Amino acid sequence: KNQVEQSPQSLIILEGKNCTLQCNYTVSPFSNLRWYKQDTGRGPVSLTIMTFSENTKSNGRYTATLDADTKQSSLHITASQLSDSASYICVVTAFNDYKLSFGAGTTVTVRA
Amino acid sequence: DAMVIQNPRYQVTQFGKPVTLSCSQTLNHNVMYWYQQKSSQAPKLLFHYYDKDFNNEADTPDNFQSRRPNTSFCFLDIRSPGLGDAAMYLCATSPPPGLADYEQYFGPGTRLTVT
Repeated sequence: KNQVEQSPQSLIILEGKNCTLQCNYTVSPFSNLRWYKQDTGRGPVSLTIMTFSENTKSNGRYTATLDADTKQSSLHITASQLSDSASYICVVTAFNDYKLSFGAGTTVTVRA
Repeated sequence: DAMVIQNPRYQVTQFGKPVTLSCSQTLNHNVMYWYQQKSSQAPKLLFHYYDKDFNNEADTPDNFQSRRPNTSFCFLDIRSPGLGDAAMYLCATSPPPGLADYEQYFGPGTRLTVT
């Protein structure tokens, strides 16, 4: 069964600090892994996408890594801002499959 | 900008009173999806259309129906909303799966409240 697990479930950080979110998956055959940011009451917005051959992808202050051998990914947020407060969801796609495997998300709260 | 639009953003309905949520897209994607997302949970796929072909997930209640009159529009009908149907409903679109960078594009969601 395709599964995606994220940790931690939630975290609180001070503005300006860095944090790292983790994602482990068992989706097979692997196609791509995407990190989404979901603000409260809004739809998910894609931050990064990585395919099998990519191990790092950046989008501004967001940097995602992928280790396809260990089936792990991380999302690093640098110099956090109050607007980074949101749920971050790891989503993995199996090859040629329309269904997405969602993690439960990590809720990040940035405090001034 | 090409996008996925959902209307209304907030919908309040009474217990048992039918309600329709709307989704439109300017991406010209073949596939459209409806998800239900409850608080602090991952989105749950209800069904999807591949062009006009309707695909229902096995555990989607009969209370939920969908219509896709053309490529651009897709509707979610809840025939008799119960209190447990209160949730965020997300519409998404995608090209056919198979490409390495296959992605679903999400709309902003409709928050449904059942009173």
